[in-house]
Amino acid sequence: EPEVTQTPSHQVTQMGQEVILRCVPISNHLYFYWYRQILGQKVEFLVSFYNNEISEKSEIFDDQFSVERPDGSNFTLKIRSTKLEDSAMYFCASASGTSTDTQYFGPGTRLTVL
Amino acid sequence: LAKTTQPISMDSYEGQEVNITCSHNNIATNDYITWYQQFPSQGPRFIIQGYKTKVTNEVASLFIPADRKSSTLSLPRVSLSDTAVYYCLVGPTLFSGGYNKLIFGAGTRLAVHP
Repeated sequence: EPEVTQTPSHQVTQMGQEVILRCVPISNHLYFYWYRQILGQKVEFLVSFYNNEISEKSEIFDDQFSVERPDGSNFTLKIRSTKLEDSAMYFCASASGTSTDTQYFGPGTRLTVL
Repeated sequence: LAKTTQPISMDSYEGQEVNITCSHNNIATNDYITWYQQFPSQGPRFIIQGYKTKVTNEVASLFIPADRKSSTLSLPRVSLSDTAVYYCLVGPTLFSGGYNKLIFGAGTRLAVHP
């Protein structure tokens, strides 16, 4: 069964550093999402992406965040200058958008900002 | 987006049927009801989605009364591996006017005991 993959599984960085979290959505899916989950808290929507542009973003997704689909397979989330409060699990999800809109989530990247 | 209310936690035993009810009094006409499951340190996993009446798949059933102000997820004959957090989400889908961002609440923490 096709699945969403994410790399790395765990990223440790220093405050102020840039990080790029990578996702490979399910092939032929058209809609892409990033969510985050701070330890012990709710899963929070960050951004949705369709047709090579952001379709919706939350208040969390401020100027330090950006997303990109650099090629036909990868979908990345960049955090320009990490803060301690960016420490969380980051989940990528994708949806077909044709026959179904079910979002399939990846296993997540645990980001630890020191 | 419709606010949802569900029990914080539930306990059950192996082999029993578990019903988790979610209240969504201000559900909109184009909102669908979707349930996700999440195991620790994993991404959420789609369980079932419905608009009205009853929906059944190989994993669960979803009961939605005519007024759609609540819904009940039914898990038949749970096992230890069903111990997880279950989220009820209400909102428009890609096919009903939204970009399908998922807004997660705190969910219901289900513990299945031997």
